[in-house]
Formats: sequence, C-alpha cells, structure tokens
Amino acid sequence: SQKIEQNSEALNIQEGKTATLTCNYTNYSPAYLQWYRQDPGRGPVFLLLIRENEKEKRKERLKVTFDTTLKQSLFHITASQPADSATYLCALDASGANNLFFGTGTRLTVIP
Amino acid sequence: DTAVSQTPKYLVTQMGNDKSIKCEQNLGHDTMYWYKQDSKKFLKIMFSYNNKELIINETVPNRFSPKSPDKAHLNLHINSLELGDSAVYFCASSQDNGNYGYTFGSGTRLTVV
Repeated sequence: SQKIEQNSEALNIQEGKTATLTCNYTNYSPAYLQWYRQDPGRGPVFLLLIRENEKEKRKERLKVTFDTTLKQSLFHITASQPADSATYLCALDASGANNLFFGTGTRLTVIP
Repeated sequence: DTAVSQTPKYLVTQMGNDKSIKCEQNLGHDTMYWYKQDSKKFLKIMFSYNNKELIINETVPNRFSPKSPDKAHLNLHINSLELGDSAVYFCASSQDNGNYGYTFGSGTRLTVV
C-alpha cells in the first residue's frame, strides 16, 4: 500500500541547533515533493518544492534534499528559533494526478 | 488580500442535518481542493476540481458533494451528517503547472453532535 511516513511525531531541539525532519514514502513515484508548515488553528503554509531531478533546494534557513533511490526527503532548519515551532508536513503528488498526498507530520518544538 | 477564504470557521450541528461550507479563491488558480484533517491531524484529500475534471477520492462517502459555480469557488455540501464527520475541513487551490505549492484556507471546524 502507499505510505508517506514522517519519522517523528514530535521533535524537541535547543534554539540555535539544526532541526532535521525525515519523510519516507513507499509505492509512490512522485514528480515532486513539497514541505509545509502548519500552526495550531491554521491551514498549512507552503515552504519549499523539490523536483525528482533535484538533489537539494535551499530557501533562507531551510534546506530540503530529495533522494528518489532511498525514497526519502530530509528537511533541515538551521539556526533554529522558537518561532520555528510548528508542525511540518511533507507532501507529494501521485504520478499522473494533480493531487497532493500528505505525510503524518512532525511537531517541532524549539526550546529557548 | 489575495487568499483562499472559507466560511464558516466553526460549524456545530446535529446528526442528520445537511450543511455547506463555502470556499473562494482570488488567486486565479486553476484547481481547487477539499481536504479533511482528522483528530490525529492527518490531512486527507477528498476532492480536486478544475473546469475540466472532478476527481473524487473513492473513500469519500457520497453524502459529500462538491459544487463549483465558477472557477473561483468550490463549495462542499454534506448530507445526513454523522458523528464521524467531525473534523477540520480545508479548502486549497493551486496552479496546474505544479511549480508552486498549494494555498490553503484557514479551515472550518465541523462538530457533529
């Protein structure tokens, strides 16, 4: 069956450290993978998109990698801040369909 | 403000009732979606719709039906509400070219009592 799993339901890190979140998928062949941030009581907010032919994408303190052989994406937040505390969701498309399927999410808490 | 807006934000209703949630986007996007987020915070696609095609997740009960009067609106109608329908429903939109992410509304928390 198709699965998108994010390795940790919750992750606590110290302010200033790098947070690394993992997204693994099975039985998908995505053309791209996306990462979203969701705050309590709000809708997900798009952060980054990485295509299957791209290894790495950066945006300010964010970095995403995509390994289609391992079927895995890593999401890094460098120099983390308490304001980065939120739930982070990975999402990918099903090949040939214009729909996004979401992972289970990781709730990140950055401790001052 | 350019956005995806959905109303109402909260909806409390009794079992068996019929209700609608409205969604509008002014981003000029081609495709709109409805997602359901359950109590475990898992986001699940329900429908996607553009002016050419409606794609329905086969696991969605036929009590749920999307209605799109025009490209900027995709409303969600729910008939004969059940307790298990309680969740947060998100509307979203995107461009068809897949170069950008989805833009989500702020959600409608539906509580069936």
